[in-house]
Amino acid sequence: RKEVEQDPGPFNVPEGATVAFNCTYSNSASQSFFWYRQDCRKEPKLLMSVYSSGNEDGRFTAQLNRASQYISLLIRDSKLSDSATYLCVVPTSSNTGKLIFGQGTTLQVKP
Amino acid sequence: EPEVTQTPSHQVTQMGQEVILRCVPISNHLYFYWYRQILGQKVEFLVSFYNNEISEKSEIFDDQFSVERPDGSNFTLKIRSTKLEDSAMYFCASEARNEQFFGPGTRLTVL
Repeated sequence: RKEVEQDPGPFNVPEGATVAFNCTYSNSASQSFFWYRQDCRKEPKLLMSVYSSGNEDGRFTAQLNRASQYISLLIRDSKLSDSATYLCVVPTSSNTGKLIFGQGTTLQVKP
Repeated sequence: EPEVTQTPSHQVTQMGQEVILRCVPISNHLYFYWYRQILGQKVEFLVSFYNNEISEKSEIFDDQFSVERPDGSNFTLKIRSTKLEDSAMYFCASEARNEQFFGPGTRLTVL
């Protein structure tokens, strides 16, 4: 299994749709997880941190299943401005802060 | 809101030349990182830096690369003799409370 694996998409959805992205990770010792958003040719921006079973922030919900080593990101009521690449990010267990990035899932929200 | 800054935004250099990429992390952050992203590929860890020393480096970070924190604000990445394959976006990040914040990046083009 790859360290962090995501479906690259693209996901093309209409405005207002609900969309979910999945991510699997290989290191069972990982304790924290992150979703970053990256716009084209820009830096990754932290969207959500996940430390326990899940986290919710407005239209965004992240869920963690440790047994299956699986994280998901759900976006409700998609906006045009949600169009971006969503990166699943997992720290290594080396305690040096090193982050392992997935390849990203591209979302295109259409009017 | 405090943010990580990077200069220059774009650097063009000839193969074999030295380049220095500069970063100003968020003040009061203590952990610093460099990542790179080759066009169309995922973000890759290069090096982590804490307490004026490298805490972890990747296989990419060979002896052509070095990092320095020459004063209380700047954090630099030097590539001694650039190769064509060093062309990429280089992101600096700083960390607080287990969350990393990325600068806007320097696009390095090696000709």
